[in-house]
Formats: sequence, C-alpha cells, structure tokens
Amino acid sequence: DSGVTQTPKHLITATGQRVTLRCSPRSGDLSVYWYQQSLDQGLQFLIQYYNGEERAKGNILERFSAQQFPDLHSELNLSSLELGDSALYFCASSGGSRSNEQFFGPGTRLTVL
Amino acid sequence: AQSVTQLGSHVSVSEGALVLLRCNYSSSVPPYLFWYVQYPNQGLQLLLKYTSAATLVKGINGFEAEFKKSETSFHLTKPSAHMSDAAEYFCAVSGTGANSKLTFGKGITLSVRP
Repeated sequence: DSGVTQTPKHLITATGQRVTLRCSPRSGDLSVYWYQQSLDQGLQFLIQYYNGEERAKGNILERFSAQQFPDLHSELNLSSLELGDSALYFCASSGGSRSNEQFFGPGTRLTVL
Repeated sequence: AQSVTQLGSHVSVSEGALVLLRCNYSSSVPPYLFWYVQYPNQGLQLLLKYTSAATLVKGINGFEAEFKKSETSFHLTKPSAHMSDAAEYFCAVSGTGANSKLTFGKGITLSVRP
C-alpha cells in the first residue's frame, strides 16, 4: 500500500460528459502529480501541483483541469469526454525526506462509451 | 528534454534464468532514474532508484540496476527469475523541483516460463 488513495476505482461514462477524479496524497506529501496511461500513448505526465499551486504542466488537454485543495487532496476534472480519453489515470505524490520519489495510487480506470 | 528508451516490448525468460531489461536515457543534467513495476490491474510500484549516490543500486525483490554514464544506460537485472516477476516494467527519468515529473519509457512486458 503506497498510502496514496484514488477514487473512484472505475468510471464508465458517455461521450460529452464531465467527470471528476479524486486523489489523496500520502500524509505530509506536498506534491501531487497526475499521469495518464493508455495503449496509444503509454504513461504520460499531465500536471503537477505543489502545496496548492500548479508547478508543471505536461500533455494535458484544454478540456482537462486540475486543482489541489488546502488539505492537499487533488481533483482532476475531465470534460467534453471523447472515446480517446478512455485510459487509466494515476495520481502520485512526493515530499518530505523522499522528495525525489513518487508514490503511485491504484489508479482510476475511465471508460468513455 | 529528458527521455528514456526501452528497446523491445516483450522479454521472455525461463524460471531461474537471468533477467536483463534494458534502459537508455537522455538528459542534459545528471538525472534521477527509476524502475517501476506494474502488475496486471494494479498501480506502479517502485523497484529501485538512482539519485547520484552509488552507481549500483539494489532494489526490492532481488532486482538491481547499474548506472553507466558513459553508456547512458540504467539496465535492470535479476540473477534468477521467479514466476511472480511476470509483469510490466517501466524505466523513468526525472529532474528536480519544477522538473520533477517522471518521463517513462514505453515499458517491457516480462514473461517467465516454467
């Protein structure tokens, strides 16, 4: 158990819809990262937050947004969903004495029909 | 920009045989390098990491990797494969601070034959 939790585990929705994925980092970790894993693109970095502020952005679509709240949990919002957004979305956290190590949650599997 | 290359997508070994999974990196600054393992329908688990200390890094489950700057490589090895090692393995590189995101290779699926 990495200490990072993600909800929901599975999500099935239709094209055009909007969903919210939630991540709770390990206790004390200030950084949260979001990654997308798909058969086409592999594992890709989406976005990083550090203590509530956006720190780095990767290949994140404009239809996607994220935020980190004062209690350090993070949400990834995906809107106007397309079939190609079907993927596994991982959250990872880092911080403290092992700040160069990222701990991954179990992921949310999104299926867009 | 940092990147890693994992040659081949699938490696098959017999139980008890040596496991060698290759990873080459590209980085303009001293990198942090990682190997992660992903079992079916699970998240990513860190096997080991290189952070500019010892060049030979030992990880969990009997795996180790050697950082070779001259070859820009960070190959993963295990002397004797076990059936439970069957999984997908990802090599990744990162920097620090605002560049601490992980950049992953395409992954290698390891199969272990009885």
